[in-house]
Amino acid sequence: AQKITQTQPGMFVQEKEAVTLDCTYDTSDQSYGLFWYKQPSSGEMIFLIYQGSYDEQNATEGRYSLNFQKARKSANLVISASQLGDSAMYFCAMREGGDGGATNKLIFGTGTLLAVQP
Amino acid sequence: NAGVTQTPKFQVLKTGQSMTLQCAQDMNHEYMSWYRQDPGMGLRLIHYSVGAGITDQGEVPNGYNVSRSTTEDFPLRLLSAAPSQTSVYFCASSPNPYNTGELFFGEGSRLTVL
Repeated sequence: AQKITQTQPGMFVQEKEAVTLDCTYDTSDQSYGLFWYKQPSSGEMIFLIYQGSYDEQNATEGRYSLNFQKARKSANLVISASQLGDSAMYFCAMREGGDGGATNKLIFGTGTLLAVQP
Repeated sequence: NAGVTQTPKFQVLKTGQSMTLQCAQDMNHEYMSWYRQDPGMGLRLIHYSVGAGITDQGEVPNGYNVSRSTTEDFPLRLLSAAPSQTSVYFCASSPNPYNTGELFFGEGSRLTVL
């Protein structure tokens, strides 16, 4: 069964430093998608970045990049130049579904709480 | 600029009461879904819909009903609330069920069942 594992319940990082949030996944599908969402203390879910299983290049969106290592089944989020506003819960998620037609059902990890220190 | 709108934002129920969490989107999205978020467990899919008139169960459907009579609305019904349904509920949508794009989330509804 598909599964997302985030092994870091919480992390600290100094402002302006880079930080990597770990995510590993388990799936037998050849076609899948990986997402990262941010949830600040206000509670909303904010989409950050997406990586498709067939994408050869790592996805990047501004200060966010996804370190996709398919053979290791990992999809780590890298945040460069951390800012105080990056303090939040971060969720890794995988789009379920096979090659026959994936749906947008997402499976989420348990999240990593990031605290950026001044 | 409404996006996905959930009501109510907060609700307290007594065990056995029924209620409906409303979800509406104004983006003409085909796909809509409901998740619940519990501490330490991430988000889990309750029900989803790939279009008007079509619904299906997710990972944790027990105790919840849904319907999709219009493209815009996807209400979640609790017929007889239980303390185990205390949670934060999120409605999410996407333009079509099969694209690779993001899910657009509502702001969440915090439900407490006493």
